[in-house]
Amino acid sequence: AQSVTQLGSHVSVSEGALVLLRCNYSSSVPPYLFWYVQYPNQGLQLLLKYTTGATLVKGINGFEAEFKKSETSFHLTKPSAHMSDAAEYFCAVSALNTGFQKLVFGTGTRLLVSP
Amino acid sequence: GAVVSQHPSRVICKSGTSVKIECRSLDFQATTMFWYRQFPKQSLMLMATSNEGSKATYEQGVEKDKFLINHASLTLSTLTVTSAHPEDSSFYICSARVFSTDTQYFGPGTRLTVL
Repeated sequence: AQSVTQLGSHVSVSEGALVLLRCNYSSSVPPYLFWYVQYPNQGLQLLLKYTTGATLVKGINGFEAEFKKSETSFHLTKPSAHMSDAAEYFCAVSALNTGFQKLVFGTGTRLLVSP
Repeated sequence: GAVVSQHPSRVICKSGTSVKIECRSLDFQATTMFWYRQFPKQSLMLMATSNEGSKATYEQGVEKDKFLINHASLTLSTLTVTSAHPEDSSFYICSARVFSTDTQYFGPGTRLTVL
Protein backbone atom coordinates (compact mmCIF):
# COMPACT_ATOMS: atom_id res chain seq x y z
CA ALA A 1 0.00 0.00 0.00
CA GLN A 2 1.05 3.56 -0.60
CA SER A 3 0.99 6.49 1.77
CA VAL A 4 1.95 10.14 1.69
CA THR A 5 3.13 12.39 4.49
CA GLN A 6 3.09 16.14 4.12
CA LEU A 7 5.05 17.83 6.86
CA GLY A 8 3.48 21.04 8.02
CA SER A 9 -0.23 21.67 7.74
CA HIS A 10 0.55 25.35 7.25
CA VAL A 11 3.52 27.09 5.68
CA SER A 12 3.88 30.87 5.77
CA VAL A 13 6.19 32.82 3.48
CA SER A 14 6.61 36.40 2.44
CA GLU A 15 5.97 37.47 -1.11
CA GLY A 16 9.15 36.93 -3.09
CA ALA A 17 10.53 34.30 -0.73
CA LEU A 18 11.32 30.69 -1.53
CA VAL A 19 8.45 28.24 -1.25
CA LEU A 20 9.23 24.73 0.01
CA LEU A 21 6.44 22.26 0.63
CA ARG A 22 7.52 18.84 1.85
CA CYS A 23 6.20 15.48 0.74
CA ASN A 24 7.45 12.04 1.67
CA TYR A 25 5.93 8.89 0.30
CA SER A 26 5.90 5.21 1.08
CA SER A 27 5.54 2.67 -1.68
CA SER A 28 6.76 -0.87 -2.15
CA VAL A 29 6.84 -0.40 -5.90
CA PRO A 30 8.01 2.49 -8.09
CA PRO A 31 5.48 5.28 -7.67
CA TYR A 32 3.99 7.99 -9.76
CA LEU A 33 3.93 11.25 -7.80
CA PHE A 34 1.74 14.29 -8.19
CA TRP A 35 1.26 17.75 -6.76
CA TYR A 36 -2.17 19.34 -6.96
CA VAL A 37 -3.29 22.81 -5.86
CA GLN A 38 -6.73 23.65 -4.56
CA TYR A 39 -8.11 27.16 -4.28
CA PRO A 40 -11.05 27.78 -1.92
CA ASN A 41 -14.25 26.05 -2.94
CA GLN A 42 -12.69 24.67 -6.09
CA GLY A 43 -11.49 21.33 -7.37
CA LEU A 44 -7.87 20.29 -7.69
CA GLN A 45 -5.57 21.53 -10.40
CA LEU A 46 -2.57 19.48 -11.47
CA LEU A 47 0.68 21.35 -10.86
CA LEU A 48 3.15 18.70 -11.94
CA LYS A 49 3.81 14.99 -11.93
CA TYR A 50 6.65 12.50 -11.94
CA THR A 51 6.30 9.16 -13.66
CA THR A 52 9.66 8.07 -15.01
CA GLY A 53 12.79 9.67 -16.41
CA ALA A 54 14.13 13.01 -15.30
CA THR A 55 13.80 13.39 -11.56
CA LEU A 56 13.46 17.18 -11.61
CA VAL A 57 10.00 18.00 -12.84
CA LYS A 58 8.81 21.43 -13.83
CA GLY A 59 5.18 22.37 -13.59
CA ILE A 60 2.88 25.28 -14.07
CA ASN A 61 3.14 28.67 -12.35
CA GLY A 62 6.89 28.33 -11.78
CA PHE A 63 6.70 25.31 -9.48
CA GLU A 64 9.04 22.37 -9.65
CA ALA A 65 9.64 19.20 -7.67
CA GLU A 66 12.44 16.69 -7.43
CA PHE A 67 11.96 12.97 -7.01
CA LYS A 68 14.56 11.60 -4.62
CA LYS A 69 14.24 7.87 -4.34
CA SER A 70 16.87 7.55 -1.62
CA GLU A 71 14.97 9.98 0.55
CA THR A 72 11.49 8.86 -0.61
CA SER A 73 10.70 12.51 -1.10
CA PHE A 74 9.02 14.70 -3.69
CA HIS A 75 9.25 18.23 -2.29
CA LEU A 76 7.62 21.12 -4.12
CA THR A 77 9.52 24.37 -4.58
CA LYS A 78 9.11 27.78 -6.16
CA PRO A 79 11.91 30.36 -6.12
CA SER A 80 9.72 33.38 -5.48
CA ALA A 81 6.28 33.28 -3.92
CA HIS A 82 3.44 35.34 -5.30
CA MET A 83 0.29 36.34 -3.47
CA SER A 84 -1.73 34.25 -5.92
CA ASP A 85 0.11 31.12 -4.75
CA ALA A 86 -1.83 31.14 -1.49
CA ALA A 87 -3.84 27.91 -1.59
CA GLU A 88 -3.96 24.32 -0.35
CA TYR A 89 -1.41 21.96 -1.86
CA PHE A 90 -1.79 18.20 -1.99
CA CYS A 91 0.84 15.61 -2.73
CA ALA A 92 -0.42 12.30 -4.08
CA VAL A 93 0.97 8.93 -5.09
CA SER A 94 -0.18 6.11 -7.32
CA ALA A 95 1.54 2.84 -8.10
CA LEU A 96 1.58 -0.16 -10.38
CA ASN A 97 -0.15 -2.44 -7.91
CA THR A 98 -3.34 -0.42 -8.43
CA GLY A 99 -2.73 -0.03 -12.15
CA PHE A 100 -1.73 3.55 -11.43
CA GLN A 101 -5.42 4.23 -11.01
CA LYS A 102 -5.94 5.05 -7.37
CA LEU A 103 -4.45 8.20 -5.94
CA VAL A 104 -3.50 8.33 -2.30
CA PHE A 105 -3.39 11.89 -1.01
CA GLY A 106 -1.49 13.53 1.75
CA THR A 107 -3.32 15.65 4.28
CA GLY A 108 -2.46 18.85 2.48
CA THR A 109 -0.42 21.95 3.25
CA ARG A 110 -1.93 25.40 3.32
CA LEU A 111 0.43 27.98 1.90
CA LEU A 112 0.02 31.47 3.28
CA VAL A 113 1.74 34.36 1.49
CA SER A 114 2.12 37.68 3.22
CA PRO A 115 2.92 40.99 1.50
CA GLY B 1 -6.92 20.03 -22.62
CA ALA B 2 -8.12 17.54 -19.97
CA VAL B 3 -11.01 19.60 -18.64
CA VAL B 4 -13.53 18.09 -16.26
CA SER B 5 -16.81 19.77 -15.36
CA GLN B 6 -19.27 19.13 -12.56
CA HIS B 7 -22.88 20.14 -12.24
CA PRO B 8 -24.29 21.58 -10.12
CA SER B 9 -21.62 23.54 -8.30
CA ARG B 10 -23.87 23.99 -5.28
CA VAL B 11 -27.04 22.27 -4.20
CA ILE B 12 -29.23 22.61 -1.15
CA CYS B 13 -31.85 19.97 -0.52
CA LYS B 14 -34.19 18.79 2.18
CA SER B 15 -33.48 15.74 4.26
CA GLY B 16 -34.87 12.60 2.64
CA THR B 17 -34.59 13.77 -0.94
CA SER B 18 -32.16 12.53 -3.57
CA VAL B 19 -29.57 14.59 -5.37
CA LYS B 20 -27.76 13.82 -8.61
CA ILE B 21 -24.32 15.22 -9.42
CA GLU B 22 -22.89 15.02 -12.93
CA CYS B 23 -19.24 14.74 -13.86
CA ARG B 24 -18.18 15.23 -17.47
CA SER B 25 -14.87 14.99 -19.27
CA LEU B 26 -15.14 17.75 -21.86
CA ASP B 27 -12.26 17.14 -24.22
CA PHE B 28 -11.28 13.53 -23.68
CA GLN B 29 -12.84 10.16 -23.12
CA ALA B 30 -12.51 8.63 -19.70
CA THR B 31 -13.12 4.96 -19.12
CA THR B 32 -12.45 5.53 -15.46
CA MET B 33 -13.73 8.30 -13.24
CA PHE B 34 -13.46 8.70 -9.50
CA TRP B 35 -15.65 10.23 -6.83
CA TYR B 36 -14.16 11.84 -3.75
CA ARG B 37 -15.55 13.46 -0.68
CA GLN B 38 -13.79 16.26 1.14
CA PHE B 39 -14.62 17.45 4.61
CA PRO B 40 -13.71 21.00 5.66
CA LYS B 41 -9.98 21.55 5.94
CA GLN B 42 -9.27 17.89 5.22
CA SER B 43 -7.88 15.82 2.41
CA LEU B 44 -9.84 13.97 -0.23
CA MET B 45 -11.39 10.64 0.60
CA LEU B 46 -11.93 8.28 -2.32
CA MET B 47 -15.49 7.02 -2.34
CA ALA B 48 -15.64 4.93 -5.47
CA THR B 49 -14.10 4.15 -8.82
CA SER B 50 -16.48 4.40 -11.74
CA ASN B 51 -15.80 2.35 -14.86
CA GLU B 52 -17.70 2.94 -18.07
CA GLY B 53 -20.18 0.19 -18.75
CA SER B 54 -19.67 -1.68 -15.51
CA LYS B 55 -20.52 -1.43 -11.85
CA ALA B 56 -18.64 0.99 -9.69
CA THR B 57 -16.14 -0.20 -7.14
CA TYR B 58 -16.75 1.30 -3.72
CA GLU B 59 -14.20 1.89 -1.01
CA GLN B 60 -14.61 0.23 2.32
CA GLY B 61 -17.20 1.94 4.47
CA VAL B 62 -19.00 3.68 1.61
CA GLU B 63 -22.65 2.68 1.32
CA LYS B 64 -23.40 1.50 -2.20
CA ASP B 65 -27.14 1.99 -1.84
CA LYS B 66 -26.76 5.54 -0.59
CA PHE B 67 -24.24 6.71 -3.16
CA LEU B 68 -25.38 5.41 -6.54
CA ILE B 69 -22.87 5.77 -9.34
CA ASN B 70 -23.59 5.42 -13.04
CA HIS B 71 -20.99 5.68 -15.79
CA ALA B 72 -23.08 5.22 -18.89
CA SER B 73 -20.79 6.89 -21.40
CA LEU B 74 -17.11 7.65 -21.87
CA THR B 75 -17.64 11.27 -20.90
CA LEU B 76 -20.24 11.17 -18.14
CA SER B 77 -20.45 9.73 -14.66
CA THR B 78 -23.17 10.56 -12.17
CA LEU B 79 -23.32 10.31 -8.41
CA THR B 80 -26.76 10.17 -6.81
CA VAL B 81 -26.99 10.71 -3.09
CA THR B 82 -30.18 8.93 -2.12
CA SER B 83 -32.33 9.84 0.87
CA ALA B 84 -29.86 12.53 1.83
CA HIS B 85 -29.34 13.47 5.45
CA PRO B 86 -27.48 16.38 7.04
CA GLU B 87 -24.43 14.18 7.64
CA ASP B 88 -24.14 13.77 3.87
CA SER B 89 -23.43 17.48 3.56
CA SER B 90 -19.98 17.79 2.09
CA PHE B 91 -17.88 18.82 -0.88
CA TYR B 92 -17.97 16.15 -3.57
CA ILE B 93 -15.26 16.14 -6.23
CA CYS B 94 -14.97 13.93 -9.27
CA SER B 95 -11.95 13.18 -11.39
CA ALA B 96 -11.43 11.57 -14.76
CA ARG B 97 -8.41 9.54 -15.66
CA VAL B 98 -6.50 10.02 -18.89
CA PHE B 99 -5.53 6.46 -19.71
CA SER B 100 -2.43 7.24 -21.77
CA THR B 101 -0.78 9.26 -18.99
CA ASP B 102 -2.28 7.66 -15.87
CA THR B 103 -3.18 11.14 -14.69
CA GLN B 104 -6.39 12.23 -12.99
CA TYR B 105 -7.96 15.58 -13.77
CA PHE B 106 -10.42 16.98 -11.31
CA GLY B 107 -13.73 18.72 -11.58
CA PRO B 108 -14.46 21.95 -9.70
CA GLY B 109 -16.49 20.17 -7.03
CA THR B 110 -20.09 20.25 -5.81
CA ARG B 111 -21.04 21.66 -2.43
CA LEU B 112 -23.99 19.67 -1.07
CA THR B 113 -25.95 21.03 1.87
CA VAL B 114 -28.72 18.91 3.32
CA LEU B 115 -31.15 20.73 5.57
